[in-house]
Amino acid sequence: QKEVEQNSGPLSVPEGAIASLNCTYSDRGSQSFFWYRQYSGKSPELIMSIYSNGDKEDGRFTAQLNKASQYVSLLIRDSQPSDSATYLCAVNIGGNTDKLIFGTGTRLQVFP
Amino acid sequence: DAGVIQSPRHEVTEMGQEVTLRCKPISGHNSLFWYRQTMMRGLELLIYFNNNVPIDDSGMPEDRFSAKMPNASFSTLKIQPSEPRDSAVYFCASSERLSGANVLTFGAGSRLTVL
Repeated sequence: QKEVEQNSGPLSVPEGAIASLNCTYSDRGSQSFFWYRQYSGKSPELIMSIYSNGDKEDGRFTAQLNKASQYVSLLIRDSQPSDSATYLCAVNIGGNTDKLIFGTGTRLQVFP
Repeated sequence: DAGVIQSPRHEVTEMGQEVTLRCKPISGHNSLFWYRQTMMRGLELLIYFNNNVPIDDSGMPEDRFSAKMPNASFSTLKIQPSEPRDSAVYFCASSERLSGANVLTFGAGSRLTVL
């Protein structure tokens, strides 16, 4: 089992819809969870972090964490074509807050 | 701040040659990470340093790879000898600790092609 798993997609949604991106992780001791966005040919950039169970909202983005199910998700409301990118889930592994492991990413396509 | 600076941005070399990738982290960040990204394997952690000391190099694929951080403002990743399967984008990232966890800032990456 991979340490951090994501569906590779592509996930296609129409403009204005809600995009839902999911991630599961294997280490029950993980405490820190991140979503990065990567445009084609660019480097990953942080968009959300979450450390506690529940929801965390930042503008059009909502991160959701369920440690019991080892599941973290990202919702993007009112999706825009500019949101089209690969979204990478990242998790601190091994009870070590410094070692950040990434999933392979989900490619999101928002069409007009 | 100029962010994390990597060089070269692109390198094309022949199999068997030595490759050296360079990274300057953000000033004040005390952790530095080297990742490799390919289509097949995604973003893989190769090695990371805290306060210039290598902490975990378990992701370094084999002895052909080595990394150093002689001071807080410079790190290198060396591949000797290089092989075609080393072709990838290599990212350097540095981090500051926020709310108890490291938040990474990535450089623009070095795209390596080994022929």
